[in-house]
Amino acid sequence: EVQLMESGGGLVKPGGSLRLSCAASGFFFSNAWMSWVRQAPGKGLEWVGRIKRKSDGGTTDYAAPAKGRFTISRDDSKNTLYLQVNSLKTEDTAVYYCTTTVHSGEFDYWGQGTLLTVSS
Amino acid sequence: QTVVTQEPSLTVSPGGTVTLTCASSTGAVTSGYYPNWFQQKPGQPPRALIYSTSNKHSWTPARFSGSLLGGKAALTLSGVQPEDEAEYYCLLLSGGAHQFGGGTKLTVL
Repeated sequence: EVQLMESGGGLVKPGGSLRLSCAASGFFFSNAWMSWVRQAPGKGLEWVGRIKRKSDGGTTDYAAPAKGRFTISRDDSKNTLYLQVNSLKTEDTAVYYCTTTVHSGEFDYWGQGTLLTVSS
Repeated sequence: QTVVTQEPSLTVSPGGTVTLTCASSTGAVTSGYYPNWFQQKPGQPPRALIYSTSNKHSWTPARFSGSLLGGKAALTLSGVQPEDEAEYYCLLLSGGAHQFGGGTKLTVL
C-alpha cells in the first residue's frame, strides 16, 4: 500500500525556518519524482516545487513564490522527502502536502498534509 | 506566470450532468498541457480523477469524464451523486512548472 506521511509542521514566527518531512512507503521511492503542494486555509492548491529522481539528475524546480526561500531535498536511503522553508512569511501559512506519481498521470498519491502556521 | 481559471462555483441537481472547465491565460488548453483533474472534500487531501485530458485512474467512477472543449480542459459529471459535492481542481503542466486552477466548488442540490 502506497503511503506518504508528512511531519514537521507547527507554529513558527515570521522570519523563522522549519524543515518538513515526508516519509514514503509502498513504492520504489528512489525511482519517483516527488513534489510539494500547499494549501492556505480556505484557499486553493499551489504547487511549491519538485525534485527529480537521481537517475534523472536529482534536480529541483520551484514555483516562483518558493524560489530562493524553499529547498527540496531527498534521502533515498530513508525513503524521505524534505522541504526546508526559510525566511517564513505569514502568507506561507498552509497545509503542505507531499505528492507523487506511482502509477499514472500526475500526483496520483497524496499524503494527509502537515500544517505550518507562521504567526507572531 | 500562467493563470489557470475555473468557474468559482456550480450547482447541479442529483442525477444531472455538469461540466467544469479549465482555461489558461496563455491561450487554448491543448493535450500538451496534460490536463489533470482532482477532487477534494473538506479535511481531506486531493484525490486524482483524470490525467492527460481524458484518462481515468482505476478508482475514478465511470460518471466522470475529461475532454477538451472550446480551447479549455473540461471535466463532465454525468448522473451526479450527492457524494460528488466537493471542490474540483484542474492542473496544467507547462515546461517544468505545474499550475493549478483556483478550483470549482460543486454543490449538489
